[in-house]
Amino acid sequence: DTAVSQTPKYLVTQMGNDKSIKCEQNLGHDTMYWYKQDSKKFLKIMFSYNNKELIINETVPNRFSPKSPDKAHLNLHINSLELGDSAVYFCASSPSRDGEAFFGQGTRLTVV
Amino acid sequence: AQSVTQPDIHITVSEGASLELRCNYSYGATPYLFWYVQSPGQGLQLLLKYFSGDTLVQGIKGFEAEFKRSQSSFNLRKPSVHWSDAAEYFCAVVSYSSASKIIFGSGTRLSIRP
Repeated sequence: DTAVSQTPKYLVTQMGNDKSIKCEQNLGHDTMYWYKQDSKKFLKIMFSYNNKELIINETVPNRFSPKSPDKAHLNLHINSLELGDSAVYFCASSPSRDGEAFFGQGTRLTVV
Repeated sequence: AQSVTQPDIHITVSEGASLELRCNYSYGATPYLFWYVQSPGQGLQLLLKYFSGDTLVQGIKGFEAEFKRSQSSFNLRKPSVHWSDAAEYFCAVVSYSSASKIIFGSGTRLSIRP
């Protein structure tokens, strides 16, 4: 039983397209996140939601729009994809705000 | 602003040897500190965490870490590494002021020499 699952695992798309990544957690956690990991493995938070409410938006271009239909799901929609968006995107969830996060397997996005 | 520094980009140790990965943090109060491990092609897994109390914390897979306030450090150790420990290791901190924001270090890649 996967705790935090992301789909798809790989995504290859052309510049200018719009794409979505889905995330679901079955841990009953209140807090969910999106992180971006660049080619140098650097991890940077993008968004954080608590009980469907956006609480952190880390200066991410507004082409990125998270959506949380319920507290078990946090999807990421990206408009007008650019080459620089190529990265691995991780969804994570946490039972509280203390930072102990459970991560999904990641979605490797390649923009060509 | 809070930050985490991992000074070693890449470390290679022999199988069976001891390991210490360094982590320094910058934060005014006592932070919540974590070590995560990322195996190739995988997500991150929590190894251990420090919130308060005993400064030596035990984690999974035989890892431990010691919080030293005077040195602003939270180094990860293992007495004897196994080939399966080869991975990327991330130190992380969470602040009280923005408790949902996990700040990661840049990572240390661990290679194991047979």
